[in-house]
Amino acid sequence: EVQLVESGGGLIQPGGSLRLSCAASGFTVSSNYMSWVRQAPGKGLEWVSILYSGGTTYYADSVKGRFAISRDNSKNTVYLQMNSLRAEDTAVYFCARTLRGYNYAYSDYWGQGTLVTVSS
Amino acid sequence: DIQMTQSPSSVSASVGDRVSITCRASQGINNWLAWYQQRPGKAPSLLIYAASSLQSGVPSRFSGSGSGTDFTLTISSLQPEDFATYYCQQTNSFPVTFGQGTRLEIK
Repeated sequence: EVQLVESGGGLIQPGGSLRLSCAASGFTVSSNYMSWVRQAPGKGLEWVSILYSGGTTYYADSVKGRFAISRDNSKNTVYLQMNSLRAEDTAVYFCARTLRGYNYAYSDYWGQGTLVTVSS
Repeated sequence: DIQMTQSPSSVSASVGDRVSITCRASQGINNWLAWYQQRPGKAPSLLIYAASSLQSGVPSRFSGSGSGTDFTLTISSLQPEDFATYYCQQTNSFPVTFGQGTRLEIK
């Protein structure tokens, strides 16, 4: 059974750093594309980042230069390192497995999310 | 960036009704479109990918159509568990973008 479990969220002051983890089971992270998507309180979904199986990464402009996605193959875990956090980064962060084919890409499994609150 | 605009932003309907939600892209995205359902406090759940392909395990009352810039999600006969928020997502180019969401409420 495929499962994704996020952790690492919490309350952090503006300018601080946090690392989110997404532990996967039922599939191999290194053979798949993995994404992070966030949702501010009461708002819609916002794509944050993706990590290709080959190691290529992409980021939303709003987090580029501040966030970094990575993985640890031995732990079958994906990470999101978040630096220089701002109040507008406050959100529930979801990780998701993303499948990509010749004419499609979509996220078929999602974690339950972890809440990040940036406030003084 | 490609802007995704959903309409309506909210809709009220009754069990058994047929409901359609539209999603318009600011430029052509071929079929690189997915639809997700999100219930309050839960993660999104994939319904449709490649504009019209039904995800495994999703009831057949859900269907998707469209290509290029205009897409539609249709629920043929609403069930109580379908009252939720629906999002479209384009994956044709980065940054990936979502529509603002359509809240489906019970009339």
